[in-house]
Amino acid sequence: EPEVTQTPSHQVTQMGQEVILRCVPISNHLYFYWYRQILGQKVEFLVSFYNNEISEKSEIFDDQFSVERPDGSNFTLKIRSTKLEDSAMYFCARAGREGKNIQYFGAGTRLSVL
Amino acid sequence: GQNIDQPTEMTATEGAIVQINCTYQTSGFNGLFWYQQHAGEAPTFLSYNVLDGLEEKGRFSSFLSRSKGYSYLLLKELQMKDSASYLCAADMNTGFQKLVFGTGTRLLVSP
Repeated sequence: EPEVTQTPSHQVTQMGQEVILRCVPISNHLYFYWYRQILGQKVEFLVSFYNNEISEKSEIFDDQFSVERPDGSNFTLKIRSTKLEDSAMYFCARAGREGKNIQYFGAGTRLSVL
Repeated sequence: GQNIDQPTEMTATEGAIVQINCTYQTSGFNGLFWYQQHAGEAPTFLSYNVLDGLEEKGRFSSFLSRSKGYSYLLLKELQMKDSASYLCAADMNTGFQKLVFGTGTRLLVSP
């Protein structure tokens, strides 16, 4: 079962800088999600995206975060002004194929904020 | 509120059977996922239980009791490659499916 491709695999940035994490679906999917996992901690839901709109977001997903699908294909997560505590693995997931609500995860982007 | 509980760590030997338990207290619930996660990698889908009962898939089986807020993942004929974290995740009934994860159970399989 193909998942999604995430780029970059590792992003290093300075505190206060903007970062854009990308998720490229292998084929047409309906539902997209972003999760993050701080080292040694649990996977946490950030946002779900359906039909080019945010359908739900968590309390973590504050004004520093945004998502969009600028060209109808790539699905991006933007962090406007990174903080040290944003350092984590960020996973994109997709669902909606074959009528199954199973979420398949991409390999993730490791974000390191210095 | 939402609370997912699972043991932090378990150990077992190659060829054995291990059961990883998960209890949940959530308001609004569609079903329960189990994912496998090797260190530094993405969660990999193992199973999704919506109805009560046991679902078997090769060496892995998953059980759900909605009335008790309880699930388990059963791994048979353990192999060294099964050493990983096993994540229990509740599928929340929000219309667009939001997963709430437990902290994961780290399974160490020894020879």
